[in-house]
Amino acid sequence: GAVVSQHPSWVICKSGTSVKIECRSLDFQATTMFWYRQFPKQSLMLMATSNEGSKATYEQGVEKDKFLINHASLTLSTLTVTSAHPEDSSFYICSADLDRGYGYTFGSGTRLTVV
Amino acid sequence: QQQVKQSPQSLIVQKGGISIINCAYENTAFDYFPWYQQFPGKGPALLIAIRPDVSEKKEGRFTISFNKSAKQFSLHIMDSQPGDSATYFCAASLMDSNYQLIWGAGTKLIIKP
Repeated sequence: GAVVSQHPSWVICKSGTSVKIECRSLDFQATTMFWYRQFPKQSLMLMATSNEGSKATYEQGVEKDKFLINHASLTLSTLTVTSAHPEDSSFYICSADLDRGYGYTFGSGTRLTVV
Repeated sequence: QQQVKQSPQSLIVQKGGISIINCAYENTAFDYFPWYQQFPGKGPALLIAIRPDVSEKKEGRFTISFNKSAKQFSLHIMDSQPGDSATYFCAASLMDSNYQLIWGAGTKLIIKP
C-alpha cells in the first residue's frame, strides 16, 4: 500500500534553533500534502496545504514565516520550524492525498521538543 | 457548519463487547466520511470510510452506519479486542476545500481484558 515516510520520528532542539521535518511519499506521487499539528489528547489541527511547485496555503493563525513548507517535488515535502520556542513543542504529522480526497495516508509523526 | 462533533470523548468496553462511537455533522456538502485509528506516538491510519450514497459499510469487525437524513454516522467495533485500544477519529471531506479533512475531536477507546 501507499506509504508516507516521515523523519525524524522525534527531535529535541534548543530554543532559537530551526528544525526540519521531512515527509516522503515512497511509492506514489503526492501532488498535495498536508501538515498537521497535534497537541496531547487533542485532534489534528491542519496547519497548511502544500501543492508541488507552488506556495503552501496556511490556515488562519499559522505563522507562515515560522513554519516554512517546501514541496519541491512530487515525493518530498518539508516543514521547517524556524527559531523554535518551547510553545512549538508538539506532534507534527504530514499526510498525502492519494485520490482526490478519498485516500489520505499519514506519516508516522514527529515529536518535537524545544528546550 | 464545518464542524464534526464526535462522542463520547472516552469509552471503556469489555473484551468481546461492541464499541460504538458517534459523529454528527451539519454541512450536507460533505461527501466522504472516514474513520481513523491512532495509536500513541503514531500518525492516524485509515480504518474504514463511507460515502453518503450507502447506509452501511462493513469491513471485518468494523462497521460504519450512515444516516444521511439525521446527518450522523457511527463506527461499530464488534468483538472488541485489547489491541483495538486506541484513539479513534471520525472525519468528513469537503470537496470544495481542496479535499481537506474536517476532524472530530477523537474518542479514546480502552478495551478491558
